[in-house]
Amino acid sequence: EPEVTQTPSHQVTQMGQEVILRCVPISNHLYFYWYRQILGQKVEFLVSFYNNEISEKSEIFDDQFSVERPDGSNFTLKIRSTKLEDSAMYFCASKIGLGGEGYTFGSGTRLTVV
Amino acid sequence: QKEVEQNSGPLSVPEGAIASLNCTYSDRGSQSFFWYRQYSGKSPELIMFIYSNGDKEDGRFTAQLNKASQYVSLLIRDSQPSDSATYLCAVSWTGNQFYFGTGTSLTVIP
Repeated sequence: EPEVTQTPSHQVTQMGQEVILRCVPISNHLYFYWYRQILGQKVEFLVSFYNNEISEKSEIFDDQFSVERPDGSNFTLKIRSTKLEDSAMYFCASKIGLGGEGYTFGSGTRLTVV
Repeated sequence: QKEVEQNSGPLSVPEGAIASLNCTYSDRGSQSFFWYRQYSGKSPELIMFIYSNGDKEDGRFTAQLNKASQYVSLLIRDSQPSDSATYLCAVSWTGNQFYFGTGTSLTVIP
């Protein structure tokens, strides 16, 4: 079964450092997403990406965050200057269209900011 | 404000019983409704989606939607210990962004 692949599985970084989280969505999917889940809290939407541009973003997705699809397969989330409160599980997701089907989530990257 | 509410649980049921999980949402414009299962430390896994009023069955799982009451539920028949997980309700207004509830923790006791 096709999978969404995320790397790394765990990243530890110092406060103020830049991190890039990487995702390879399912190949025939057209819509790409980043969500995060702080430990013990709900899954929160960050950003959606379609046709090489951001289609929606949440209040969480401020100027410290950016997304990119540098080639035909990778989809990245960059956090420019990490804060302690950025520590969370970050999930990439993709879906084929805007129909009623749900996302396929990747296995996640656990980001720990120290 | 678009809210999705779930009882956090924990909900405990004996093996073989029916587990009933409930979710309410705030916005009547909601179009699509999803149930995800999340094991501890893992990513959400889609179980079912529903967008029409009524019931939708898939194996041991039945999703029920009542848009007038802004209520969606998930029934798990013949519950198994492997069903022990957190169940997330998600709602979408546009098919793009999903709003998740905090999840209900289910434990199936052998």
